[in-house]
Amino acid sequence: DGGITQSPKYLFRKEGQNVTLSCEQNLNHDAMYWYRQDPGQGLRLIYYSQIVNDFQKGDIAEGYSVSREKKESFPLTVTSAQKNPTAFYLCASMVRRALNTEAFFGQGTRLTVV
Amino acid sequence: GEDVEQSLFLSVREGDSSVINCTYTDSSSTYLYWYKQEPGAGLQLLTYIFSNMDMKQDQRLTVLLNKKDKHLSLRIADTQTGDSAIYFCAEKGDSNYQLIWGAGTKLIIKP
Repeated sequence: DGGITQSPKYLFRKEGQNVTLSCEQNLNHDAMYWYRQDPGQGLRLIYYSQIVNDFQKGDIAEGYSVSREKKESFPLTVTSAQKNPTAFYLCASMVRRALNTEAFFGQGTRLTVV
Repeated sequence: GEDVEQSLFLSVREGDSSVINCTYTDSSSTYLYWYKQEPGAGLQLLTYIFSNMDMKQDQRLTVLLNKKDKHLSLRIADTQTGDSAIYFCAEKGDSNYQLIWGAGTKLIIKP
């Protein structure tokens, strides 16, 4: 089945560590996104990529980094510079069809700083 | 700039209708969307409506669009416990690949 796979589902990070969240898609979509979700704040855009080897900062990119070396993969690194990384992270891809634009989401990664 | 607003919570009794409301600011929006997020999971597209439509119905779901007031609503008939989730309203942004998201409305079902 086609879809977006995020791993791991739960991740624990010690203070000062970098961690990388995986996002893989087999939908052949060009555009991929990382969102951060905190209670009551909806989805905030961290980074997005509309094509391989290119990506753009979203609204809250500080303390995060991404790469897009392959169409299928868009990993997110949460660096030690991110002061409050505990959150639910969602990866998405988007496809533009004749009638609409549709977003497909992974199941999310819950990151906790310990 | 573009903005989408929703109430954070809605509580309804099982069997009643739920109406989740959303307001948006971009009058040029061509499509508006409703996504559903079940606990601990990603978002899934529920339905969408094109801006030249006033209403769209799909089984228990009815979407109403008032373009003049920039108001979108999602009605769920005969609300069931499986409808417990967060419902996100979204509008298509200026870019082909951009969606502007509301904060999400958590639907709570009372027995």
